[in-house]
Amino acid sequence: DVKVTQSSRYLVKRTGEKVFLECVQDMDHENMFWYRQDPGLGLRLIYFSYDVKMKEKGDIPEGYSVSREKKERFSLILESASTNQTSMYLCASSSLGHKNETQYFGPGTRLLVL
Amino acid sequence: AQSVAQPEDQVNVAEGNPLTVKCTYSVSGNPYLFWYVQYPNRGLQFLLKYITGDNLVKGSYGFEAEFNKSQTSFHLKKPSALVSDSALYFCAVRDGGGYNKLIFGAGTRLAVHP
Repeated sequence: DVKVTQSSRYLVKRTGEKVFLECVQDMDHENMFWYRQDPGLGLRLIYFSYDVKMKEKGDIPEGYSVSREKKERFSLILESASTNQTSMYLCASSSLGHKNETQYFGPGTRLLVL
Repeated sequence: AQSVAQPEDQVNVAEGNPLTVKCTYSVSGNPYLFWYVQYPNRGLQFLLKYITGDNLVKGSYGFEAEFNKSQTSFHLKKPSALVSDSALYFCAVRDGGGYNKLIFGAGTRLAVHP
């Protein structure tokens, strides 16, 4: 079974703090993704990566950065957390195979910024 | 641009009755469509995906989805609902570019009442 793990289930941070969210997958997938989930908005793509050290902006990259130094690990960084970044953050991975490749999700990190 | 719409915020159904969660799509080219389920405080779990040629797709937990090209729909169905099916359901379509990015609908909350 594919396993995607996220470093924390719940996080509470203060405005202005630098926040690191980490994601690890064990299936040697090329693609990794970071989404945020907000009620009524579904999932919105923040950043994704298709290879080590490669990254592409998603639909809402402002206020975020990412790092992928190893194939299995993809980190999301909030440079200076703000209250509007309070959300559920979901990591996913998929292989780079066919066009109908499935994305596999981690359990999510619920972040509260005070 | 690719998009999906889930017209219902919430669907209520009695246990034992059939259920339908609606999804319509707009794509250029062939559609690659997915359904995911999210149980409370969990990540997304893959249910099923559309593979070209099979208008009725069977997935996990007794769910199936009917692809209708003329109506551009991909509705999720189950013949007999269980209380444990209560969850948030997301329809998604593959982005037209590379990297297997997905575009998600806003989600539909399914409530199955005993």
